[in-house]
Amino acid sequence: NAGVTQTPKFRVLKTGQSMTLLCAQDMNHEYMYWYRQDPGMGLRLIHYSVGEGTTAKGEVPDGYNVSRLKKQNFLLGLESAAPSQTSVYFCATTEQGNRMNTEAFFGQGTRLTVV
Amino acid sequence: DAKTTQPNSMESNEEEPVHLPCNHSTISGTDYIHWYRQLPSQGPEYVIHGLTSNVNNRMASLAIAEDRKSSTLILHRATLRDAAVYYCILRDLYNFNKFYFGSGTKLNVKP
Repeated sequence: NAGVTQTPKFRVLKTGQSMTLLCAQDMNHEYMYWYRQDPGMGLRLIHYSVGEGTTAKGEVPDGYNVSRLKKQNFLLGLESAAPSQTSVYFCATTEQGNRMNTEAFFGQGTRLTVV
Repeated sequence: DAKTTQPNSMESNEEEPVHLPCNHSTISGTDYIHWYRQLPSQGPEYVIHGLTSNVNNRMASLAIAEDRKSSTLILHRATLRDAAVYYCILRDLYNFNKFYFGSGTKLNVKP
């Protein structure tokens, strides 16, 4: 049982390049989230999804796009990477919120550097 | 969205209790109080959560003020492995799909 798996773990991009980060979960959770964490700061919500085929914006969505074509996968895309997007990206999942167990499970993170 | 305020850092001695405070003066009646921690170079992990009553689990205890405007995470016997950043988060029962992390409290445990 892998839980939440993020791919890749590290990546260096040149300004203007594009890439996609993959988050895969095997817990059958409905809700998935993408966060970014800058040095010395807490996590900020980029986008989230409440189910297959749905996505919504979080706190800092500009410069990112997401897709949830399959329930188990949540993709985060950078169409034209900028140095300001250098960060550690975390994916998280939760069960449906009408359950008392609302623990979130996080992946190990993707460290992205844009030069 | 209701916000939380935590001290930037705290220090504790190994095997002593640690009390990590959190202020959330704008908490609403449907906000649950959650605590997560992040060990170095890892993703956050769940610690505990509660609504009104104090809560205990194998990792920690959560003490919630009667007016719910503040809470305290209690680690009963700190170990070196407990050195992490601890986040206090409010999650709305009806907007459970969004929860925001502040900057947290960095806990340093001295041997």
